[in-house]
Order: sequence, then C-alpha cells, then structure tokens
Amino acid sequence: DTGVSQDPRHKITKRGQNVTFRCDPISEHNRLYWYRQTLGQGPEFLTYFQNEAQLEKSRLLSDRFSAERPKGSFSTLEIQRTEQGDSAMYLCASSQGLAGNNEQFFGPGTRLTVL
Amino acid sequence: GQSLEQPSEVTAVEGAIVQINCTYQTSGFYGLSWYQQHDGGAPTFLSYNALDGLEETGRFSSFLSRSDSYGYLLLQELQMKDSASYFCAPQTGANNLFFGTGTRLTVIP
Repeated sequence: DTGVSQDPRHKITKRGQNVTFRCDPISEHNRLYWYRQTLGQGPEFLTYFQNEAQLEKSRLLSDRFSAERPKGSFSTLEIQRTEQGDSAMYLCASSQGLAGNNEQFFGPGTRLTVL
Repeated sequence: GQSLEQPSEVTAVEGAIVQINCTYQTSGFYGLSWYQQHDGGAPTFLSYNALDGLEETGRFSSFLSRSDSYGYLLLQELQMKDSASYFCAPQTGANNLFFGTGTRLTVIP
C-alpha cells in the first residue's frame, strides 16, 4: 500500500499524559498536513510542512501541540498534558504541491480518546 | 472571519441527480475543493476548481463562481455507495483548506 499511513490507529490515554502520533506520507509528496476532526465536523487544519520546514500553524494550535518532520519524510505530532477536549480523530494528509492541483491524500487517522 | 454554508443533510433516490451547494466567505481564496468522506473513513478528493466554470469527472461535476463566492457539486446517476458526507473546502491560503461541517448525503432505493 503506497498511501498515507498513520500510527497508531487508536490511542486511549489519561488526562495529563503526553501522546505522540506518526504519519508516513506518500513518498514523493513534499507537502504534509495535520488536521483534527471531531464528530459531525469537518477536518480542522492544524499545521503544514513543506519538506522539513513547518510553514504554517493554526492559531487554534495551543502550545501543548508540537509537530516535526525532521528529514522531510515522516512527521510526528505530539500533544503534551492531554485534556479531554483533545479527544478527536487526528488526520494526516500529503500532497505533491503541483501548481493548479492541491489534491490532498488523507491517511486513515489516529483516534485519540482522553479519559 | 471565515464562514462556509452548505446544507447539513440531503436525501435522494438511487439513479437520481443531486446538487450540493456551497457558499463561502474567506479572507483569501485560491480555489474550491470537494471531498467525500464515508463514515469511519478518511476524506477523499473529488475535484478542485481554481477558475470559474464547470469541471466534470465521471458522474461528478463541480462548479465555481468566484464573483458569487459560490460553488456546487453535482452527482449524477446516484448509487447507494454515494451515501457519505461531502465537504466543500475553499483553499484560503497557498496551503490551507477550510472545511465546513459538510453535507450528509443519504441515497435511498
């Protein structure tokens, strides 16, 4: 399967714990995005990387959230001191970044439950 | 601020045609994307309109009017498998998609 993969698929944690999610984009894609989606809502943009550079970050992203893409390939999203409001599906997407084509390919997501 | 309006739910009969409208208000605009998401699945790309007019891809067509901040997705020859949520997503920055709450389409026999 050469699509976007995410790990883990499910994560249950206690409030106050730190969690880290991984995303492996499609190999030739230089752009990588993180979104959060809650039930009944559309994906909400969190942050964007072009290669290893984090170029855009939502104002909604609190200081407890950090994302990296150290070698321009896979990315990690860490949430520190989790809160119950962090419970959501965390989606990763990647794209080639071609002019006139912004098709983003989404991974299956990591479902986070904070108890 | 940014806002996006599309119907929350639509029901249509198998084999029929359905149009899902989308009006948006964004601080920046590069184009309008449409994504489909089945329950429990990931969003999948359907179409992207950067310019005014109609784009056709098989049974799906998408239309954009930049001057009216309006677009629509047209689904023809509806099939049961088309039951899903459909999101219009204005591209508000060079790399930023703004998703609304989507339209839940139910196709009935």
